[in-house]
Amino acid sequence: SQQGEEDPQALSIQEGENATMNCSYKTSINNLQWYRQNSGRGLVHLILIRSNEREKHSGRLRVTLDTSKKSSSLLITASRAADTASYFCAMNSGYSTLTFGKGTMLLVSP
Amino acid sequence: DADVTQTPRNRITKTGKRIMLECSQTKGHDRMYWYRQDPGLGLQLIYYSFDVKDINKGEISDGYSVSRQAQAKFSLSLESAIPNQTALYFCATSFKQWTLSPLHFGNGTRLTVT
Repeated sequence: SQQGEEDPQALSIQEGENATMNCSYKTSINNLQWYRQNSGRGLVHLILIRSNEREKHSGRLRVTLDTSKKSSSLLITASRAADTASYFCAMNSGYSTLTFGKGTMLLVSP
Repeated sequence: DADVTQTPRNRITKTGKRIMLECSQTKGHDRMYWYRQDPGLGLQLIYYSFDVKDINKGEISDGYSVSRQAQAKFSLSLESAIPNQTALYFCATSFKQWTLSPLHFGNGTRLTVT
């Protein structure tokens, strides 16, 4: 199946620093989405990037997509303690359902 | 009030018992999904439904069944629970144009099978 793979599995930074997470996938996609999950809670949609887009911004979030390398990155700028969470990429291709990666655990220390 | 509500939030049951997890939504979305999350893993799709008369198996449907009672309600049943079904279960919804529509998740049901 088209499961994404996030890298790194875990990331620990200080408040104010930038956090970058990467996602790789195997086959062509329609779109790629990023979600955040606070501990034990439901996932929250952050941003969606279409296969014909290369970059999108939303507040402190910046997502890039490189379809030639089958990869995407999520950058959180000027991170805050409240950004501590797990981040998942998810993608679909054709008429398939959304498939999630295993996630990156981000810890932002004050 | 939450747009996607799951009940119960926590459930402990014994091996062999039949249990039902319920999901209701007020978002008016056509599409509903059940996912399972195990520690350190991503989400795996169990079943999904595109409308009231539509039920589809996901990646890991064995041992599970679902019922779409109405547009707003989608329940997941474990006919005979086993310990490796211990996990966090999420219901999600999406708008009809699902290839471009994000998923909206409930807060999950933590299920423990002893």
